[in-house]
Order: sequence, then C-alpha cells, then structure tokens
Amino acid sequence: NAGVTQTPKFRVLKTGQSMTLLCAQDMNHEYMYWYRQDPGMGLRLIHYSVGEGTTAKGEVPDGYNVSRLKKQNFLLGLESAAPSQTSVYFCASSLRTSGSPSTGELFFGEGSRLTVL
Amino acid sequence: AQSVSQHNHHVILSEAASLELGCNYSYGGTVNLFWYVQYPGQHLQLLLKYFSGDPLVKGIKGFEAEFIKSKFSFNLRKPSVQWSDTAEYFCAVNADTDKLIFGTGTRLQVFP
Repeated sequence: NAGVTQTPKFRVLKTGQSMTLLCAQDMNHEYMYWYRQDPGMGLRLIHYSVGEGTTAKGEVPDGYNVSRLKKQNFLLGLESAAPSQTSVYFCASSLRTSGSPSTGELFFGEGSRLTVL
Repeated sequence: AQSVSQHNHHVILSEAASLELGCNYSYGGTVNLFWYVQYPGQHLQLLLKYFSGDPLVKGIKGFEAEFIKSKFSFNLRKPSVQWSDTAEYFCAVNADTDKLIFGTGTRLQVFP
C-alpha cells in the first residue's frame, strides 16, 4: 500500500537547468496537489488538479508547470530553475467529497528536497 | 480569499504541560477544518478534522480541537504533552473550493 510516492527524493540543480518531479498515487484519488514548504512560510499551494487532464494555479504558480495526463500521476516541472525555488516539495492527493466544501483529507508524499545553486 | 493565521510560531513546553495552539481563518461560509502534524524529517499526517456536527473534535494521540464559528477559530489542545509531541503543527482550511489552504505552522518543542 504505497499511497503517495514522490521521485526523486533529493536533487541539486544549477540555475537555469530544468527538471520534473513525479508524483504517483495508488488510491484512485481525483484531486492532486503540489505544495512547497519553506521555513516560516508553511505550505504554499503551487498548482493542483481536480481530475485527469485538468490543472489549475494555486498561490505561487510562477516558474512552475504541471501536467496530469493520467489520473494517478501529477508532474511538476521547472523549466529554468532559480535559487528562489530551493525548497521542499510535497505532493498530496484527496478524494472528492460529496456536497460542499469539496476537499476532504489530504494524503501527503514523503517530500522532495530541491536545491538550486 | 481564504486565509489561515497561526499566531504561535514557536512554543516550548515541559512534559505534562497543557497545550493550546491558536488557529483563525477568514471565511464566512461553510468550512472544513484540519490540523496536520509533521514530525521531524517526515511528511504531514492528519491529526484531526472537522466537517460538521459536534464542534469539539477528538483526534489521534490525545489531541482535540474546538470549532468556534463566532470566533472563526479552530484551536488545538492537549491536556498533557509528551516529548514525542515535538513536531510542527499546521492548521488548514477548505471553504467551498477545491483547495486546502495552510497556516504558516507552529513549531512545538517539548522538553523532558
């Protein structure tokens, strides 16, 4: 029972390089999210998806792109990494709950620590 | 826009002391409220949640939280903390959207 799996766990990039973080969930959840966690700033939502083929911007989307081609996978891309993107990135997923509000409990991955030099 | 405020950034307690962490949110409609915990080096885990019904919610490890609608608050409490409760605690709110918004977190240190 893997839950939410993120790869890679650690990565060091040089400024200007590109990379993709992969998130995979095996719980058949409709919703998936990418957050970044920085000291003193909590978790900030980058992008999210409410279903296969759909994505939406969160609080801090600039410099990131995402894709949800398959229901179980949610990719986060950095086209040209900057030192300000040094952070710990968490993927999460949730079921859609009936009625409103629509978001239930989030299940988180282990995190991916990214350093941009 | 929704927002969540956690005013206690760093709390230091001795074992057996009582704990109360504040959480206030800004939204006037129906809300789902959550407390998550992040132990050192680990990912976030759900501590407790409120969707509807009894405003006093019991969670894991002896934690509880009370939803006070008139105060827009969802404070976390534990009568007697343990060293193993050392962690970072995040309050989160979902209000009629597909997004969960987190507070900035409260770092709790418990000394034996």
